[in-house]
Amino acid sequence: NAGVTQTPKFRILKIGQSMTLQCTQDMNHNYMYWYRQDPGMGLKLIYYSVGAGITDKGEVPNGYNVSRSTTEDFPLRLELAAPSQTSVYFCASKTGKEHNQPQHFGDGTRLSIL
Amino acid sequence: QKEVEQDPGPLSVPEGAIVSLNCTYSNSAFQYFMWYRQYSRKGPELLMYTYSSGNKEDGRFTAQVDKSSKYISLFIRDSQPSDSATYLCAMRGRMDSSYKLIFGSGTRLLVRP
Repeated sequence: NAGVTQTPKFRILKIGQSMTLQCTQDMNHNYMYWYRQDPGMGLKLIYYSVGAGITDKGEVPNGYNVSRSTTEDFPLRLELAAPSQTSVYFCASKTGKEHNQPQHFGDGTRLSIL
Repeated sequence: QKEVEQDPGPLSVPEGAIVSLNCTYSNSAFQYFMWYRQYSRKGPELLMYTYSSGNKEDGRFTAQVDKSSKYISLFIRDSQPSDSATYLCAMRGRMDSSYKLIFGSGTRLLVRP
């Protein structure tokens, strides 16, 4: 049972480069989320999706884009990497069938932009 | 003012101690309250889930919600070194159909053998 899988685990980017953080889940969850976690700052929501083809902005969407073409995959795109985007990125998913079911998290992607 | 406030710690206790972790919040619309545990270099995992006010117990863990004071707590009895982790509170409103969570900043807990 893989759950939520994030790749890569680590990445170093140069300023101005682009990359896509991959997230896939095998639980057939409709709801998926991208967070960033900075030291001492908790988790901030970047984007979320309530189903394939539907995405919406969270609290800190600037500098990021997402797509949701399938139920399983929810990639996060950084177009022009900036040092302020150095962070740990977590993807999560949740079933929509029961309100008290938790969000399941992947183990994160550690991204450094130099 | 942040919507959810949580003391970052670190909190260091001896093995066997009772641990109290707390969060305060400002949004009276929050109805669902959660505690997540996050080990180093891992994603958060749900520990406790409560709805509205009251207590919930699960083994050595007890979650309390006081909506009148906008204050939630997590108690850990007979703490173990394996409890050493960061504890994040999270909450959401009842009317949010996207189930978005607002997280506290997390409290680092260290249980010394």
